[in-house]
Amino acid sequence: GQNIDQPTEMTATEGAIVQINCTYQTSGFNGLFWYQQHAGEAPTFLSYNVLDGLEEKGRFSSFLSRSKGYSYLLLKELQMKDSASYLCAVRDSNYQLIWGAGTKLIIKP
Amino acid sequence: ETGVTQTPRHLVMGMTNKKSLKCEQHLGHNAMYWYKQSAKKPLELMFVYSLEERVENNSVPSRFSPECPNSSHLFLHLHTLQPEDSALYLCASSQDAGTGGYEQYFGPGTRLTVT
Repeated sequence: GQNIDQPTEMTATEGAIVQINCTYQTSGFNGLFWYQQHAGEAPTFLSYNVLDGLEEKGRFSSFLSRSKGYSYLLLKELQMKDSASYLCAVRDSNYQLIWGAGTKLIIKP
Repeated sequence: ETGVTQTPRHLVMGMTNKKSLKCEQHLGHNAMYWYKQSAKKPLELMFVYSLEERVENNSVPSRFSPECPNSSHLFLHLHTLQPEDSALYLCASSQDAGTGGYEQYFGPGTRLTVT
């Protein structure tokens, strides 16, 4: 079966750095997405990785290792507004998105 | 504002009711999706439409019936639902449903409660 694993919940301090990991086992791989979802709101796109390595976008970076079936989302200079759930999703061989259950990130002052 | 709107935002219905969820995208996209989101579970893909043709139906019970009259509008018709169908129903759109690395844009969702 297909599976995406990410931690259920993480806590970090304002101004700090946090890394949210995602491991996947899917039938084929055609890219990995990270989305942010604030409580009661729609998921919004953060990043896309299809090749190994690091993609940087401001305070957010995403890393992919296809050989290890592993990705992480790195958030720097954390702000209170970063409190949200972070969803990892992988496109499989049929180009369908397989989603993780999300990581709830709590930021403390 | 993502360019994808959904109505209603909240819906309470009895198990014998019939209701419809509406989604509209203003992005000129060719693919539209219905997802179910339950607490602490991964997003479940229900239906995919590409250029108004259904391309995916992930073993969804027949009490859920999608309709895509044009590339901008998507409906989910509901009838004789069960309490376990209570969830957040999200609509999304993307440039296409194929091989491009296109992200999906989500609407705010309809919070459905079946009593």
